[in-house]
Amino acid sequence: DQQVKQNSPSLSVQEGRISILNCDYTNSMFDYFLWYKKYPAEGPTFLISISSIKDKNEDGRFTVFLNKSAKHLSLHIVPSQPGDSAVYFCAASAQFQGAQKLVFGQGTRLTINP
Amino acid sequence: DGGITQSPKYLFRKEGQNVTLSCEQNLNHDAMYWYRQDPGQGLRLIYYSQIVNDFQKGDIAEGYSVSREKKESFPLTVTSAQKNPTAFYLCASSTLTGDGTQYFGPGTRLTVL
Repeated sequence: DQQVKQNSPSLSVQEGRISILNCDYTNSMFDYFLWYKKYPAEGPTFLISISSIKDKNEDGRFTVFLNKSAKHLSLHIVPSQPGDSAVYFCAASAQFQGAQKLVFGQGTRLTINP
Repeated sequence: DGGITQSPKYLFRKEGQNVTLSCEQNLNHDAMYWYRQDPGQGLRLIYYSQIVNDFQKGDIAEGYSVSREKKESFPLTVTSAQKNPTAFYLCASSTLTGDGTQYFGPGTRLTVL
């Protein structure tokens, strides 16, 4: 049972345009949502997070939108740059046995074309 | 420089041998985690620990073992009982409060021949 899903395995965007990465979840108990960026053969790097009580969080070129009724979140990157080419994972966080536990989606490979 | 280190970066072992992957952090985080990543899949939790001398199984603990004798260290042993050990292994750490943000090490690529 996949609680966090990223239905697009890959996405290709032209440099300078907007990249939109999507993520769906099933468990209403998640209280935070996070996005990570990962280059090949490296560990994921934390990008941005959002609390379940908010619907938008912005940090520079990155904005995360949360639609609780649809159990859907998205990451917008504007403008997209070549260095943004990577695999992006969304993760959902919930309290479990005294700790915040993360559940990850399968990832979306973003390619920015010059 | 605070961070998480994993060693070695690449590891080769013969089938049937146990192998231990190292993970050290100097972020003063209470919680530490081990994940496995396979091609086209997300990160799957193997084991986690919230306090020294205590740890819990994650979603795919079979064939793995861990120890947490020091706050800074959380080594993972891949035993011969693990049926498909070839994978990219990631260690992470976090505080016990807040939004649950975990900070990852650079990973170890294990190949079993």
